[in-house]
Amino acid sequence: GNSVTQMEGPVTLSEEAFLTINCTYTATGYPSLFWYVQYPGEGLQLLLKATKADDKGSNKGFEATYRKETTSFHLEKGSVQVSDSAVYFCALIITQGGSEKLVFGKGTKLTVNP
Amino acid sequence: KAGVTQTPRYLIKTRGQQVTLSCSPISGHRSVSWYQQTPGQGLQFLFEYFSETQRNKGNFPGRFSGRQFSNSRSEMNVSTLELGDSALYLCASSLGPGLAGTDTQYFGPGTRLTVL
Repeated sequence: GNSVTQMEGPVTLSEEAFLTINCTYTATGYPSLFWYVQYPGEGLQLLLKATKADDKGSNKGFEATYRKETTSFHLEKGSVQVSDSAVYFCALIITQGGSEKLVFGKGTKLTVNP
Repeated sequence: KAGVTQTPRYLIKTRGQQVTLSCSPISGHRSVSWYQQTPGQGLQFLFEYFSETQRNKGNFPGRFSGRQFSNSRSEMNVSTLELGDSALYLCASSLGPGLAGTDTQYFGPGTRLTVL
């Protein structure tokens, strides 16, 4: 089946620290991969995406590379800010039989302290 | 430009009742998707509508249904409510069909449903 596993949180970092949130997937086929973010009190937003192997998605200083060989899509940021505190969701979309299946990870809560 | 709006924002129902949630997409958007978010199961995809037709469907029982109107507004209905249906229900809209990110999805604030 199709599934997404991301590191369990919560993750607490100090401002300017390096961030990695691990995400691995299992899929029957070649999915598109996404990171979504949910800021406190706000709606879910698409953060970045990659649609094929070796693609790198990037936005707001965050990056993730689609690694087919390790079935991973880890989220990284070189220097986090307090405003990055949010819940991050890794997700995949795969097309099967003409229908799209969207699967989310459980989410990782990130808290950045000043 | 107004964002995605969902009504009501909060709802309390009892087991066995049914509920209808509403989602108004961003003007010009024709695709609406619905999601359920719970602490235990996380985020799960319910279904997607485009031009009044259901295009994609997640793994939820038939108690969960939806529809889309000609003005792209969408409703989601849950019949015979169970305690486990308590969740935040999110909808998202995008210009074109599909979930694969060709057109960015914009999410609404959600409807918090509590089943007692």
